[in-house]
Amino acid sequence: EAEVAQSPRYKITEKSQAVAFWCDPISGHATLYWYRQILGQGPELLVQFQDESVVDDSQLPKDRFSAERLKGVDSTLKIQPAELGDSAMYLCASSYGRYNNEQFFGPGTRLTVL
Amino acid sequence: AQSVTQPDIHITVSEGASLELRCNYSYGATPYLFWYVQSPGQGLQLLLKYFSGDTLVQGIKGFEAEFKRSQSSFNLRKPSVHWSDAAEYFCASSRAGTALIFGKGTTLSVSS
Repeated sequence: EAEVAQSPRYKITEKSQAVAFWCDPISGHATLYWYRQILGQGPELLVQFQDESVVDDSQLPKDRFSAERLKGVDSTLKIQPAELGDSAMYLCASSYGRYNNEQFFGPGTRLTVL
Repeated sequence: AQSVTQPDIHITVSEGASLELRCNYSYGATPYLFWYVQSPGQGLQLLLKYFSGDTLVQGIKGFEAEFKRSQSSFNLRKPSVHWSDAAEYFCASSRAGTALIFGKGTTLSVSS
């Protein structure tokens, strides 16, 4: 069964350092989402891509976060510099099309900022 | 603005007993509705979804949910809980073309 891949699964970093997370969606899925899940909360959208274009990044802290999906396939989310409050689970999800709302989630990257 | 409320933060159910997890949504039109389950340190697995049509939706692992427009609710049910059902459960909603809006989740504990 096709799955969304994410790496690394765990990342520990010190504040002010740069970190990057990678996501490979299910083959053929045009829409890709990055969510952030703080411990004890539900996931919240950071950025939504349709192919290589950003559809919604209204909740992305653009002073320190960036996301790209250059060829419309895999995607990278970067934080620079990391802050203590960025400690969270970062989840990637994909769906076949923008208007097909069944999203499939990857295992996530657990970030700890010290 | 669209929102999802899960009133129960934590529920404990005896193994073999029935389960109902509550979910209320706020949206003018009928949204798409979902229930996901998350085991510790893992991603989210879709249990079931409602887009339109029959208001009683069957999902995986013996779960079902009922959409009630008059109550703006989409409660999740299971007739007999197993110890392996202990996890975090999230209700979510969306509109066509948008990302999911999640509730804060309900932690299910199963006692023997």
